[in-house]
Amino acid sequence: GENVEQHPSTLSVQEGDSAVIKCTYSDSASNYFPWYKQELGKRPQLIIDIRSNVGEKKDQRIAVTLNKTAKHFSLHITETQPEDSAVYFCAASKEGGSQGNLIFGKGTKLSVKP
Amino acid sequence: SQTIHQWPATLVQPVGSPLSLECTVEGTSNPNLYWYRQAAGRGLQLLFYSVGIGQISSEVPQNLSASRPQDRQFILSSKKLLLSDSGFYLCAWTLRVRTGELFFGEGSRLTVL
Repeated sequence: GENVEQHPSTLSVQEGDSAVIKCTYSDSASNYFPWYKQELGKRPQLIIDIRSNVGEKKDQRIAVTLNKTAKHFSLHITETQPEDSAVYFCAASKEGGSQGNLIFGKGTKLSVKP
Repeated sequence: SQTIHQWPATLVQPVGSPLSLECTVEGTSNPNLYWYRQAAGRGLQLLFYSVGIGQISSEVPQNLSASRPQDRQFILSSKKLLLSDSGFYLCAWTLRVRTGELFFGEGSRLTVL
């Protein structure tokens, strides 16, 4: 089955700096890669996702890149703000029916210091 | 619009006691339903998923079980809780037709003493 590795487990940056979180996946058939943000004590929420037919997607200060050959994808947050502090999860899955089950990485705790 | 409800929000149970967590989805039909567990405030572990009434798949062996008695209802149960069952349990749903955004419930924090 699919296995998703996520690094680093913790990341501390100064406000205004950029943050990068990296994930690798094992199943070359996976084609959907979302990122979730979980604030303390709350539910995870989708912040951005990418499908395997594109290499990069951007939404304001966040962007995700995908390298299918190397089987890795990354989350980039620019101009970080204190409200970006949270745990971020990457995930991977295959499209369709019962095979479309997201497998999550172990998470990255991002701390943005004012 | 679609909503997902999960309860109870918190519970403290003694070892060996039973467990029942409930989840319902409103505003959609034929969803895929999931139970995840988050231990130590970090990783999300898939426990069970269901693609239809009475259809349950287990991802990890454990003393938990799941049931789907109705299309939009998903229940997580245990006959006898273990200390290791403590954690944050999240119900989630997604559209069956195509993989996409997973919508999580607000979670149930279980402490087994």
